[in-house]
Amino acid sequence: GQQLNQSPQSMFIQEGEDVSMNCTSSSIFNTWLWYKQDPGEGPVLLIALYKAGELTSNGRLTAQFGITRKDSFLNISASIPSDVGIYFCAGQGLGAGSYQLTFGKGTKLSVIP
Amino acid sequence: GAVVSQHPSRVICKSGTSVKIECRSLDFQATTMFWYRQFPKKSLMLMATSNEGSKATYEQGVEKDKFLINHASLTLSTLTVTSAHPEDSSFYICSAVTGHLKGQPQHFGDGTRLSIL
Repeated sequence: GQQLNQSPQSMFIQEGEDVSMNCTSSSIFNTWLWYKQDPGEGPVLLIALYKAGELTSNGRLTAQFGITRKDSFLNISASIPSDVGIYFCAGQGLGAGSYQLTFGKGTKLSVIP
Repeated sequence: GAVVSQHPSRVICKSGTSVKIECRSLDFQATTMFWYRQFPKKSLMLMATSNEGSKATYEQGVEKDKFLINHASLTLSTLTVTSAHPEDSSFYICSAVTGHLKGQPQHFGDGTRLSIL
């Protein structure tokens, strides 16, 4: 099925640095979601975005729903070791009432203490 | 809120065995549940969408007779891998969403690591 273009695929950063990752799509979505997955566990919802142009924060995390509804970015400020994991973007709602998600391929984040 | 419990977390069994995985929404009613499969270092691949009280909708390429899904109540969906073989070994994850609130995101269980010997 369709996948979102998520970048970068992986990144190694120093503890305390800021991180930015993004997703783009050729299709419009009604909702953009960002999840984090730790090894051997299911994805955990970080931020949900419902309106084009919306900018939402959750602690050190900030995400924006692109004005064209075809892209989104996630920023993590002042990274810490527990930020390590795989971050997935997901677009929701291609059809009316649809809850199906289209996932990006993930960004693997490694934080060097 | 929005807690999804998946059981078992890990199962190892012999080839030819059927394995049942449960997915429960603990603090909300899930009108729709989803079953995903995830290969190592890959994203989640949707297998099927399950609506309470009706037959599941399977994605293209997913064998419905191989992966039996039952969504008998608003808090429980089960995935049964029938006559499992080594190629069925994978990480299976369920998610749930309530249909009562528009645009509610999917909440995921912790996954089941299935290993077929």
